[in-house]
Amino acid sequence: DAGVTQSPTHLIKTRGQQVTLRCSPKSGHDTVSWYQQALGQGPQFIFQYYEEEERQRGNFPDRFSGHQFPNYSSELNVNALLLGDSALYLCASSSQGAYSNQPQHFGDGTRLSIL
Amino acid sequence: DAKTTQPPSMDCAEGRAANLPCNHSTISGNEYVYWYRQIHSQGPQYIIHGLKNNETNEMASLIITEDRKSSTLILPHATLRDTAVYYCIAIYGNNRLAFGKGNQVVVIP
Repeated sequence: DAGVTQSPTHLIKTRGQQVTLRCSPKSGHDTVSWYQQALGQGPQFIFQYYEEEERQRGNFPDRFSGHQFPNYSSELNVNALLLGDSALYLCASSSQGAYSNQPQHFGDGTRLSIL
Repeated sequence: DAKTTQPPSMDCAEGRAANLPCNHSTISGNEYVYWYRQIHSQGPQYIIHGLKNNETNEMASLIITEDRKSSTLILPHATLRDTAVYYCIAIYGNNRLAFGKGNQVVVIP
């Protein structure tokens, strides 16, 4: 049973570019959340997708956007990259939306470096 | 979501039980306590969660006080592979997880 998979594992971009990160949820899960983890900090919530809609959003600018597909996989897009966007981007999946108490399961993330 | 407080770091002896405390004095009645851990360069790993009753699984036990204002995660026989940052989170539903700084646990041989 495959867990949460993310691609790519590492990515290098330059300031001003755009990036797309991908996530496949654990089998049976229908909800995907994205987190940003800067070096030495805990993960920070970006947004959550359920039924192909953004249901919750953390304190991140509109440069961060996402999408969920009918097969529950998800993409995170970041436009106009800044040096401060360098971080580990984590995807977590779970079942039954925001009001279930089922735990979120995380992938190992995409390490994004901005030059 | 209720704020949680954990010690910033602690050491545990290999082979002994590790008891990781967490305070959540403002927890509300419908908020669960979740525990995750993060080993360097990996994503957070779900350990266990509970509402009122004590819980046990293959990884750990969770003891929640009767007033629910604090809890303890117990790793029954700590191994070197249990060295990680442990996060205690109190939250309603499958919502945005607020990780905080966590507790850096080092298992010493």
